[in-house]
Amino acid sequence: DVVMTQSPLSLPVTLGQSASISCTSSRSLEHSNGNTYLTWFHQRPGQSPRRLIYKVSNRDYGVPDRFSGSGSGTDFTLRISRVEAEDVGVYYCMQGTQWPPTFGQGTKVEIK
Amino acid sequence: EVHLVESGGGLVQPGGSLRLLCTASRFTLSESWMAWVRQTPGKGLEWVANINPDGSSVYHADSVRGRFTISRDNAKNSLSLQMNGLRVEDTSVYYCARDPDFAAIDLWGQGTKVTVSS
Repeated sequence: DVVMTQSPLSLPVTLGQSASISCTSSRSLEHSNGNTYLTWFHQRPGQSPRRLIYKVSNRDYGVPDRFSGSGSGTDFTLRISRVEAEDVGVYYCMQGTQWPPTFGQGTKVEIK
Repeated sequence: EVHLVESGGGLVQPGGSLRLLCTASRFTLSESWMAWVRQTPGKGLEWVANINPDGSSVYHADSVRGRFTISRDNAKNSLSLQMNGLRVEDTSVYYCARDPDFAAIDLWGQGTKVTVSS
């Protein structure tokens, strides 16, 4: 299985500052069809995950443009600019290129 | 607003069975690949199984293959997960999810808790 490794696992941030989460895969996530199936989710306490970003950098409808995704191959980043209180929770990356789909361990974002 | 609602979770003894059900509202489930994903505090998120729109192709994770079966009833706009031979390590919150494209889940249910314990 493809192993997804996130860092850091805990990320205290100051309101209004930016934050970055790294996600590294054990194998390239570029599919033979040319797409890279790397997805980012956000899970608030007590809630189900919610998709933020798909195919590395495509933001979902309604997701603030403070969120951006980048990367290729095996290295990916989720960036949050101007962190707001509603951004707390756990962020997960997930790959869908290779079966079975696999998730990172999660990065817990909290406000300092 | 579109919704997925799971039911059927509960407490079961090791070796027992449960059937989880997921119903969709405000969208036609038969048009989508669907999946079950589980989450535990210790193991995080784990893909369990998925199924294509007409139910002719199913995939199960190694950890559940031979014990769990994903299926769907498009006439009833529902998805199921039959879980047999349950083990303590199957204790999790189980989510029903819509899988639009290579596991990029765009809709999650609220989850149903399954506890396997004697």
